[in-house]
Amino acid sequence: GAVVSQHPSRVICKSGTSVKIECRSLDFQATTMFWYRQFPKQSLMLMATSNEGSKATYEQGVEKDKFLINHASLTLSTLTVTSAHPEDSSFYICSAGTTGELFFGEGSRLTVL
Amino acid sequence: AQSVTQPDIHITVSEGASLELRCNYSYGATPYLFWYVQSPGQGLQLLLKYFSGDTLVQGIKGFEAEFKRSQSSFNLRKPSVHWSDAAEYFCAVGENFGNEKLTFGTGTRLTIIP
Repeated sequence: GAVVSQHPSRVICKSGTSVKIECRSLDFQATTMFWYRQFPKQSLMLMATSNEGSKATYEQGVEKDKFLINHASLTLSTLTVTSAHPEDSSFYICSAGTTGELFFGEGSRLTVL
Repeated sequence: AQSVTQPDIHITVSEGASLELRCNYSYGATPYLFWYVQSPGQGLQLLLKYFSGDTLVQGIKGFEAEFKRSQSSFNLRKPSVHWSDAAEYFCAVGENFGNEKLTFGTGTRLTIIP
């Protein structure tokens, strides 16, 4: 089946630094990808919709200047957490769809010290 | 706005016993419904989905779910659970067919006891 891959799976960074997470569709092209955030023992909350070749669409309450999304190609979307702080520590998951099904990446756990 | 409710935060069942995880949704039109499973520290895997047609849908790993419009429910069932079924289960609703964004329930954590 279709595969969506995220990298890195785990990242630890110091407060104030920026972190980039990649989401790739390995065997299909995705004009749209979605970024979710999941707090411990909670559900997934949609952060933004990443659109290839255009600006991302952010959900209400998500700071677009904090969470930069770039979807430069049909197989790659990136999420950059800028000037990360401990409250940004979370599990970030991306997804992309093809042939009527949505596939999720393995997730990236960000820990900000 | 659409919403999904999973009333049970945590369920414990014995291995070999039957399982039912509840899911209720709120959506004005015909919903597109999904069940996903998440193992610790992992992404989500699709168990099954309902778009239209037969209201009883079969999924992977022996799971099934039944769409009941009158009750706005899409409960997940399995006749006999295995220890490997221990995980977090999420019900989700989508607005359109295909790869549109989903609204997730809060999840149900399933523990299996020997």
